[in-house]
Amino acid sequence: SQTIHQWPATLVQPVGSPLSLECTVEGTSNPNLYWYRQAAGRGLQLLFYSVGIGQISSEVPQNLSASRPQDRQFILSSKKLLLSDSGFYLCAWDSGGGLPNIQYFGAGTRLSVL
Amino acid sequence: AQSVSQHNHHVILSEAASLELGCNYSYGGTVNLFWYVQYPGQHLQLLLKYFSGDPLVKGIKGFEAEFIKSKFSFNLRKPSVQWSDTAEYFCAVNEVTDKLIFGTGTRLQVFP
Repeated sequence: SQTIHQWPATLVQPVGSPLSLECTVEGTSNPNLYWYRQAAGRGLQLLFYSVGIGQISSEVPQNLSASRPQDRQFILSSKKLLLSDSGFYLCAWDSGGGLPNIQYFGAGTRLSVL
Repeated sequence: AQSVSQHNHHVILSEAASLELGCNYSYGGTVNLFWYVQYPGQHLQLLLKYFSGDPLVKGIKGFEAEFIKSKFSFNLRKPSVQWSDTAEYFCAVNEVTDKLIFGTGTRLQVFP
């Protein structure tokens, strides 16, 4: 069966420090991968999605970037964190293939930038 | 721009009360519709979905939702809630193979 791993679960970082959040999926090939940010009262905001290795689409301009170095690995990064980057980050995947799909979510990372 | 609206931001119910959470969307074409639930401390998980066919769909734990195309709505219902239904509920919509757009979520608190 497919599983999605996301780490770390919580992270406290100083302003100006770099960030790297990792997400990996097991049990499937060539998934679509997604990074969301969840803010209270705002639902889930799509930050990045990827349909394949090295293919990244950005949904909103921001201080973050994403990379997909391997088929089932999706990384969210920043060179210098801002206070406004604090939030709850969720990774998700679906099976792609151009069909209606269900997205499956990781446990999330709660990032606090101080 | 496409959008999804959940007008109930916070709902408080007693056990055995009936539940209806509203969801409206602004797409004009063919859509896929989802309700996701996030129980305290757990992953966001799928509650139910509509792709095509019978507009009344059944999900896990006794939940159901009805797709009313003319009203651009996909309301979530449960005839009798339990304390364990306390969670945050998200409606999501996409146009066939496009990206999912989520509503802002509804926080449901059920008191015994």
